[in-house]
Amino acid sequence: GESVGLHLPTLSVQEGDNSIINCAYSNSASDYFIWYKQESGKGPQFIIDIRSNMDKRQGQRVTVLLNKTVKHLSLQIAATQPGDSAVYFCAETPGNQFYFGTGTSLTVIP
Amino acid sequence: DAGVTQSPTHLIKTRGQQVTLRCSPKSGHDTVSWYQQALGQGPQFIFQYYEEEERQRGNFPDRFSGHQFPNYSSELNVNALLLGDSALYLCASADAPGGHNEQFFGPGTRLTVL
Repeated sequence: GESVGLHLPTLSVQEGDNSIINCAYSNSASDYFIWYKQESGKGPQFIIDIRSNMDKRQGQRVTVLLNKTVKHLSLQIAATQPGDSAVYFCAETPGNQFYFGTGTSLTVIP
Repeated sequence: DAGVTQSPTHLIKTRGQQVTLRCSPKSGHDTVSWYQQALGQGPQFIFQYYEEEERQRGNFPDRFSGHQFPNYSSELNVNALLLGDSALYLCASADAPGGHNEQFFGPGTRLTVL
């Protein structure tokens, strides 16, 4: 089966600081990656995606970095806010179905 | 623009029973995928429906079956429920099949098997 894992299960950051959430994937055939945010009692919400022909992609306050050499994905959140507190999942796909990691719980300290 | 909707929100069943969960995709989407999310885990892919047919399937037993209707809505059926089937069941829709399109998730159905 696929293996998509996160290095840290929990992360606490001070409001206003930057957050970095990491993810490792195992399938070198994966060519599309998505970061999702899931708040308690809700379904996953799309944050940002990146295709394997890119190394970096930026959104509003978020940046995703892809290192295909070491099969590593990271999500950077700038100026973290209390509303960013949630569980973050990375998902990979080689083109047929998505494989999700276990998730990292981000807590923002006011 | 209505997003993905799922019903019911919560459901309690006993072992051995059967359950049907429902999903309406986001407007303009024709592809529906179902996921099982156990507590503290990431979603696990069950299957994907497109053009009323199952197109992809994850590592789930035949007790899990589905259906897609002409209006693109979908049902997930689980027979002979086990305690381990207790989970949040998520539906996601996309505007094309496969795994290269952004998926929009619904709020999920929380199934508890007693």
